[in-house]
Amino acid sequence: DAGVIQSPRHEVTEMGQEVTLRCKPISGHDYLFWYRQTMMRGLELLIYFNNNVPIDDSGMPEDRFSAKMPNASFSTLKIQPSEPRDSAVYFCATIVGHSSYNEQFFGPGTRLTVL
Amino acid sequence: AQSVTQLDSHVSVSEGTPVLLRCNYSSSYSPSLFWYVQHPNKGLQLLLKYTSAATLVKGINGFEAEFKKSETSFHLTKPSAHMSDAAEYFCVVSDPNNNDMRFGAGTRLTVKP
Repeated sequence: DAGVIQSPRHEVTEMGQEVTLRCKPISGHDYLFWYRQTMMRGLELLIYFNNNVPIDDSGMPEDRFSAKMPNASFSTLKIQPSEPRDSAVYFCATIVGHSSYNEQFFGPGTRLTVL
Repeated sequence: AQSVTQLDSHVSVSEGTPVLLRCNYSSSYSPSLFWYVQHPNKGLQLLLKYTSAATLVKGINGFEAEFKKSETSFHLTKPSAHMSDAAEYFCVVSDPNNNDMRFGAGTRLTVKP
């Protein structure tokens, strides 16, 4: 398996534009997590899904952020409109099974810069 | 609620000397604990994990960690640092009742020649 795949790897956009980040989980992994990493705030959990259903979105910063998982092999994180403070690295991670023993597998991240 | 505290934001060692990265956790349950490493411009990679078996856990690249319930600690150690160990290290606690994982703020390890 190729692991968790994220695209794009880098995104530079202007304030006010819509940004869509994509994640393809490892096949068979039924949990998917979206994280944001910044120097100031570290690694923050934004939202996670189980079997394509959003379970906890309490980490989503505001209404400008939305995430979907239309099927088991694809998820998107959308920011509309984007702001400079959204600049960060966004990670997708997946895990199999409902067990705290299992490790999360992280994608390489998308580095977002909002000018 | 569970939480994890990494006591040092930055640790600097010389190549060949021991590494100690400290982590304390708070959990109402018997937690699972993990250490992840993040090299520059890369995603996070699992180093090792504790899941209520042996309290001394060995991971990749010569790292190990000891679970001490009485001290609520899970410190990461390595006898001899290598230049390639320079990275950010995250301690993570996981609730056994769900997949609620809490990440520490991270410790940046610098290895000097």
